[in-house]
This record gives sequence, C-alpha cells and structure tokens, in this order.
Amino acid sequence: AQSVTQLGSHVSVSEGALVLLRCNYSSSVPPYLFWYVQYPNQGLQLLLKYTSAATLVKGINGFEAEFKKSETSFHLTKPSAHMSDAAEYFCAVTKGSGGSNYKLTFGKGTLLTVNP
Amino acid sequence: EAQVTQNPRYLITVTGKKLTVTCSQNMNHEYMSWYRQDPGLGLRQIYYSMNVEVTDKGDVPEGYKVSRKEKRNFPLILESPSPNQTSLYFCASSPGQFLMNTEAFFGQGTRLTVV
Repeated sequence: AQSVTQLGSHVSVSEGALVLLRCNYSSSVPPYLFWYVQYPNQGLQLLLKYTSAATLVKGINGFEAEFKKSETSFHLTKPSAHMSDAAEYFCAVTKGSGGSNYKLTFGKGTLLTVNP
Repeated sequence: EAQVTQNPRYLITVTGKKLTVTCSQNMNHEYMSWYRQDPGLGLRQIYYSMNVEVTDKGDVPEGYKVSRKEKRNFPLILESPSPNQTSLYFCASSPGQFLMNTEAFFGQGTRLTVV
C-alpha cells in the first residue's frame, strides 16, 4: 500500500528564509503526489501535484516541489517565506496508472511557523 | 461558486445520540470521501464513494455509516457516537470515479465533540 512520511511535525523559519518541508513516499507503482495546505480554521487547498510529467512542479503562492525517484522524495520548497505562509502542510499520495486510484493517503502534516 | 458544503460546522453532542453530518457538492463530481483529522495523525479516510450507490470503507470506518443516494450528497452518520469520535471531519470530492491526477476539493470541516 502507498504511504507518505513527512519529516518534522513542526518547522519554524524566519520571514524571508528558505522553506523546506520534507516528504518521502512509499509506493509499489509510480505514484501521483500532492501537497495540500490548511490555513487555520479552513479546509485543505491544493498547492501542487506531480503526475509523472515534469519532475519539478510549480504550485501556487511561489511553492514548488521536486520529484526524485531515486530518493523516493517529493520535498516542498519556497525561496522566501512570508508571514501568510504560516499553515499546516500535508503531503499526499495516490497510485498512478496500474494501481487503484480511489484512495488519497495523507502524511501526518507539518506545521509551518513564520517568525517576523 | 464551486464548493463542498458541510453542515454543521460545529457540533457538541452526548454519547449515544445519533447524528448526521451533511456534505453537498455542486461540481457534479463522481468521487466523494470523508476524512477525520486528529492531532499528530493527519487525515485518515473513513469512507469513500465512487458514484451513486457505490461506497466502500476507508482506513477507519468503525462507528460510521454513509450513503450516496444522490450524486451531490454524501452524508456521514454516527449511529451511536462515542468520545473517541471527537475529531475534525472533512468531506472531499473529486471529478471522475478515480482520483487519478485530479484535485480533491475539501469542505470547511465539522468539529465534533462527543461528551
């Protein structure tokens, strides 16, 4: 079964610093990978997704993620953090072609704090 | 506006009193799902539905029921709620029967407390 592991339940950065949120996946078939963001008291919103096209994926709000098959990773980055980026971030996976796609499996989440 | 609507947003109830959390989407999506979110555990799937009258268990279905009589609605039913079902619940929908590479759209969440 597919799964994702998010390293670090809480990441704290200064405003203007690099944001790096880590996600490693485990899947028996090539996966589809997603990053979702949850702002306080809101539902989840899609940041970006990897679907076996380009390995570097650009998303909303200046975020991007790189799919590295050799490292089974899909880390989320942003060059310069903004106060409005403070939120909880979830990595998620579903199986790609050849597997069943009716289940979206989430990591446990990483809470990002941005300090002024 | 395309959206997934859950009601109620907040609910406090007592052990054993049946309750229903409603979920409705206006995007004609075939796939719908319920998740619960607990601190340190992320989101865990309770049930999902690939189409009308087609539902299946997720990872944590015990104590929950669902139905999909209409495409737009996917209510979550707790027949006899217990304190361990205190959680934040999200409904999600997605186009197509399978998630494939499509985005899942989430409701605003229902915070349930069972005392």
